Amino acid sequence: GDSVTQMEGPVTLSEEAFLTINCTYTATGYPSLFWYVQYPGEGLQLLLKATKADDKGSNKGFEATYRKETTSFHLEKGSVQVSDSAVYFCALTDNSGGSNYKLTFGKGTLLTVNP
Amino acid sequence: NAGVTQTPKFQVLKTGQSMTLQCAQDMNHNSMYWYRQDPGMGLRLIYYSASEGTTDKGEVPNGYNVSRLNKREFSLRLESAAPSQTSVYFCASSETYRVTEAFFGQGTRLTVV
Repeated sequence: GDSVTQMEGPVTLSEEAFLTINCTYTATGYPSLFWYVQYPGEGLQLLLKATKADDKGSNKGFEATYRKETTSFHLEKGSVQVSDSAVYFCALTDNSGGSNYKLTFGKGTLLTVNP
Repeated sequence: NAGVTQTPKFQVLKTGQSMTLQCAQDMNHNSMYWYRQDPGMGLRLIYYSASEGTTDKGEVPNGYNVSRLNKREFSLRLESAAPSQTSVYFCASSETYRVTEAFFGQGTRLTVV
């Protein structure tokens, strides 16, 4: 079945450091890929998405590129801020057939950014 | 601009008690979902409703029932709560069952003692 594997963390960085959170996936067919962010005490919000190979999703300084050859969708940001402290989830929907009704999530990566 | 609203936000139940978690969305979405979030497990799908009038099991449906009351509302019922159901529950919605973007509520933190 579908699965998502991401860096488990926690990840602790200083403000203005470079961030990478690794995400790889297994899916039947051709998935759509997502990064969701969960700030403390809140629900999940979509951060960015990509629907086909080589697409780059970007938002709020975060980027991720859909790499079909390595089945990866790593999240990057050039300079993190304290306000980026949150839990980040990589997720997919499988568009190959009957499973595109659900999001399959990774376990989440807690990011803490210190001033 | 409420989005997805869940009630209650917190609940403590005794083993064997029942309760219903409520969810409503105001985005005219067709599809709605219930997930549970456990430490180190990510989010797992309990039940979903692809459209008004239909419901289907997800990955972890045992011990739960759902009702799609109308297009806006999708409730989750625990008939006889167990400590293993201690979790954070999230309701979500999307425009159609082919998920391109899902919108989540703020969650219900449930503790079963």
